[in-house]
Amino acid sequence: AQTVTQSQPEMSVQEAETVTLSCTYDTSESDYYLFWYKQPPSRQMILVIRQEAYKQQNATENRFSVNFQKAAKSFSLKISDSQLGDAAMYFCAYRSYVAGGGADGLTFGKGTHLIIQP
Amino acid sequence: NAGVTQTPKFQVLKTGQSMTLQCAQDMNHEYMSWYRQDPGMGLRLIHYSVGAGITDQGEVPNGYNVSRSTTEDFPLRLLSAAPSQTSVYFCASSDVYGTKNYGYTFGSGTRLTVV
Repeated sequence: AQTVTQSQPEMSVQEAETVTLSCTYDTSESDYYLFWYKQPPSRQMILVIRQEAYKQQNATENRFSVNFQKAAKSFSLKISDSQLGDAAMYFCAYRSYVAGGGADGLTFGKGTHLIIQP
Repeated sequence: NAGVTQTPKFQVLKTGQSMTLQCAQDMNHEYMSWYRQDPGMGLRLIHYSVGAGITDQGEVPNGYNVSRSTTEDFPLRLLSAAPSQTSVYFCASSDVYGTKNYGYTFGSGTRLTVV
């Protein structure tokens, strides 16, 4: 079974600055997907960014980018130019490559609470 | 395009009662799954489905049943509610591997309290 670890229960950053959230995972699979989800106080789960394990290039979505280190099993999220609306819980999640015979569904870390200081 | 719709949004049950949490998606997604979210625990997978008629257990399946008779619907049944099932429940759906939207889209959740 896969496990996902987020070692930072809470992070705080000044508005307009950059923050990096950490995520490590454990798996014996070679093909998989990794995601970052944002959960604001509304509790809606919002997909922020995804990374396919077979791609060496790090994914980027506007102010959000990842640092994917497959050998180290690390998948950190960098938020640039932090905004007040970025304040939320952030969850790292793992998904097996179903077409390769893996089970489906997401395995989540326990989350990081991100606070934006004005 | 409504996405993933969960009903009800809130529910209070008495211990021993049964109920069904409804989940419907209008995106023609093959994959669907159910999660529970407890404080400090993140989200944990209860059951998932890779297509109509095909379901399987996740990490915490005990006390829950699912079925997938259509592509659109994936209800979660609590057989005999227990206080330990007090949680927020999320349903999610995903397109197949290789598509642009190969990532789970979540419903807005159901907050369930068992007393």
